[in-house]
Amino acid sequence: DGGITQSPKYLFRKEGQNVTLSCEQNLNHDAMYWYRQDPGQGLRLIYYSQIVNDFQKGDIAEGYSVSREKKESFPLTVTSAQKNPTAFYLCASSRDSSNSPLHFGNGTRLTVT
Amino acid sequence: AQSVTQPDIHITVSEGASLELRCNYSYGATPYLFWYVQSPGQGLQLLLKYFSGDTLVQGIKGFEAEFKRSQSSFNLRKPSVHWSDAAEYFCASRNTGFQKLVFGTGTRLLVSP
Repeated sequence: DGGITQSPKYLFRKEGQNVTLSCEQNLNHDAMYWYRQDPGQGLRLIYYSQIVNDFQKGDIAEGYSVSREKKESFPLTVTSAQKNPTAFYLCASSRDSSNSPLHFGNGTRLTVT
Repeated sequence: AQSVTQPDIHITVSEGASLELRCNYSYGATPYLFWYVQSPGQGLQLLLKYFSGDTLVQGIKGFEAEFKRSQSSFNLRKPSVHWSDAAEYFCASRNTGFQKLVFGTGTRLLVSP
């Protein structure tokens, strides 16, 4: 079955460390996205990518970085510059950039202490 | 800026009763509209989507939503709620020609016996 795989489901890090969240899709989708979810704030867009080797900042990109070297992969790095990194992170993909719905992975919960 | 408002943070409905979750969007033209559902600790699942045409759209799990341009609304409805419908529901909109999907802050549905 096609889908989006995020790993790991739970991640713990010490403050000051960078951490990379994995996102892989086998849906052959061109566009991929990273969202951050905090209680009461809905989902906020961190980065998105329409095609390989290209990506755009979303609404809250500070303290994050991404790469898109392969169509199926869109890893997110949470750097030590992110002031409040503890959150639930969701990866998504879509067929194109117009009216296609997003398909979501099951998320990674990152806890930084 | 484009925005989506879900005015109800929590709603409690008795099992078997009808449900309506409110969603209002702000955009001049007709956006693409979506409803997603999220179970705790999981990703989001698409319930239904509206692009154009018939203003009443049917989705999965017995849900439907009605687009009302005059009210800038896209409310989600279900005639008879089941205990398994307890989850968080997100309304989202996307402008034509853009990739960003803007989410509301969500409505948590509680189902009482």
